[in-house]
Amino acid sequence: RKEVEQDPGPFNVPEGATVAFNCTYSNSASQSFFWYRQDCRKEPKLLMSVYSSGNEDGRFTAQLNRASQYISLLIRDSKLSDSATYLCVVRGGSYIPTFGRGTSLIVHP
Amino acid sequence: NAGVTQTPKFRVLKTGQSMTLLCAQDMNHEYMYWYRQDPGMGLRLIHYSVGEGTTAKGEVPDGYNVSRLKKQNFLLGLESAAPSQTSVYFCASSYSTGWNSPLHFGNGTRLTVT
Repeated sequence: RKEVEQDPGPFNVPEGATVAFNCTYSNSASQSFFWYRQDCRKEPKLLMSVYSSGNEDGRFTAQLNRASQYISLLIRDSKLSDSATYLCVVRGGSYIPTFGRGTSLIVHP
Repeated sequence: NAGVTQTPKFRVLKTGQSMTLLCAQDMNHEYMYWYRQDPGMGLRLIHYSVGEGTTAKGEVPDGYNVSRLKKQNFLLGLESAAPSQTSVYFCASSYSTGWNSPLHFGNGTRLTVT
C-alpha cells in the first residue's frame, strides 16, 4: 500500500456543484496534513492545513479522520477557476512530507 | 518578500553534462527539500536538509548530490546528467515539521536531458 493515496480522477463537475476528494494514508503516526493546489506546470500552492477538528476556509472544508486514516477536501459552489490538481500532503513523525499523486478537478460551464 | 527562489527556470543538458540547481529562501526556514515531478508519478523527494550543514537522502537520491552550506541555500547537483533525469524540479522549505508549518515552493526548474 502506498503511503499516501488519492483517486487521480479526473472529477468532471459543472459550475456550482459540490465535490469531495479523499486521501488515505498508511502511517498511523502521521501528525500533520495539508491540501495543496497545483495548476498545470506550476508549483504547488498551499490551499489549507487540515486540523484535527476540521476546518473551513470559504468554500473549502477539510476534515481529518484518524480512525480510518484519511483526510478529505470538500469544495462547495465550484468555480471554473477551481480546475486544478489537488495534492494531499502527510507528514509523519519524521521530517519528510509525503505527497499523494493528486486528484484532477475539471469544472465546466 | 521573495519566499523561495529557484534558478535556473529552464535548462537543456546533453547526456553526461553536469549542472547545479540553486534554491534560496529568505524566510529563515530550517527545513529544505528537493522534489522531482514526472507525469503520473507525483512529487518524489530527492534529498532534504533539516538545517545548515546537514543533508539526507530521500526516495530517489541516485544521480544527485546536495549541499547546504548556508541556511538560506540548498543546492542540487547533477554530476553526469542522464535522460532519465528529464523532469521538473521543485525546491521547498518549511520552518518546522509541525501542523502549522506547511511547505513553501519555488517556481520550479524544467530540465531536459538529451
